[in-house]
Amino acid sequence: GDSVTQMEGPVTLSEEAFLTINCTYTATGYPSLFWYVQYPGEGLQLLLKATKADDKGSNKGFEATYRKETTSFHLEKGSVQVSDSAVYFCALSDQGFQKLVFGTGTRLLVSP
Amino acid sequence: NAGVMQNPRHLVRRRGQEARLRCSPMKGHSHVYWYRQLPEEGLKFMVYLQKENIIDESGMPKERFSAEFPKEGPSILRIQQVVRGDSAAYFCASSRGTEYTGELFFGEGSRLTVL
Repeated sequence: GDSVTQMEGPVTLSEEAFLTINCTYTATGYPSLFWYVQYPGEGLQLLLKATKADDKGSNKGFEATYRKETTSFHLEKGSVQVSDSAVYFCALSDQGFQKLVFGTGTRLLVSP
Repeated sequence: NAGVMQNPRHLVRRRGQEARLRCSPMKGHSHVYWYRQLPEEGLKFMVYLQKENIIDESGMPKERFSAEFPKEGPSILRIQQVVRGDSAAYFCASSRGTEYTGELFFGEGSRLTVL
């Protein structure tokens, strides 16, 4: 079945450091790919998405490119801020958006 | 707060008791989804409901679990005769309709602990 694997956390960075959170997927069809973020005390919210190969999703300085050849959707940000501290979930949808398949989440901790 | 509201945020039950988790979707949303996150695992789809209808319950355990979304009031996820393995975070999400946007709006989750 479909699955998502993302790097374990926590990822600990200093402010202004470069961020990469790896995400790879397994799917039978041509899924759409998502990154959701959960800030402390809040629900998950969509950060960015890509619906086909080579698409780049971007939002709030974060980017991720849909790489079909490597089945990956790595999340990157050039300069993280303390306010980016959160749990990041990679997800895919292969059967319509109501059935998202999530990774286990990666906690990011950014220190001043 | 116009977001998805879940309650209780934390619930402790003893084995054999019943757990009821509630979810009020965002204003204007008529579609509700329940996901479960077991320790050290990702969120897993359980059930998708519209008002008074269960659309897809393929992720729901066959026994002890049920869900409803009545015409009035919140969606309820009910777990009867809880066991320790039911301890998890239960997330509710909502959306306006079936258009494919990939964006679900999630609540903060209800954390169930079974003693």
